[in-house]
Amino acid sequence: EVQLLDSGGGLVQPGGSLRLSCAASGFTFTLYAMSWVRQAPGKGLEWVSVISGSGGSAYYAGSVKGRFTISRDNSKNTLYLQMSSLRAEDTAIYYCAKTRGVLPRTLPDSWGQGTLVTVSS
Amino acid sequence: QSVLTQPPSASGTPGQRVTISCSGSSSNIENNDVYWYQQFPGTAPKLLIYRENQRPSGVPDRFSGSKSGTSASLAISGLRSEDEADYYCATWDDSLRGWVFGGGTKLTVL
Repeated sequence: EVQLLDSGGGLVQPGGSLRLSCAASGFTFTLYAMSWVRQAPGKGLEWVSVISGSGGSAYYAGSVKGRFTISRDNSKNTLYLQMSSLRAEDTAIYYCAKTRGVLPRTLPDSWGQGTLVTVSS
Repeated sequence: QSVLTQPPSASGTPGQRVTISCSGSSSNIENNDVYWYQQFPGTAPKLLIYRENQRPSGVPDRFSGSKSGTSASLAISGLRSEDEADYYCATWDDSLRGWVFGGGTKLTVL
């Protein structure tokens, strides 16, 4: 059974940094692209970033490009999202998601429980 | 403003058939696989449909998807009260080089 355990969320001041983690189990981690998707309070889903199975390619939404960095440690079956220069509009639940294939253009079939990031002074 | 356009709300009575539309463009829906997700309040999304019309195991055949050109649709037949949720379409966008989601449709079972 696929399990994705998101962690690392919390309260951070504007301009601050935070690193999210997603521990994966139940599947061969390297065979699947992984992603982060967020949802602001009361709003819809917004894609943040996706990384290929090997970690060799990554893509970012325009709203986070240059501020967020996605990475993965395939030896630890763990996905990361390093967030910096955080803004109030980054406040959201961040979901880790496993995609259906190794390439970044395939979309998710499994989701973590989400971790809440609140950017506020 | 979402790249993919969905109606903000839809409704139906138990047993009815309801359709939710998702409108995009040649850079997204027309040339890429369309996915549909169901989300209940306070929970993570769940995959309902992938590759336009494929259902993961465990998803009832009351749920079906289709695509024509730059638009896609999710149909729910034999509507049940437990289908009341938010529904999102999504796909890859070749121009943006990333995923795009619809704004979501809140389905109410009257």
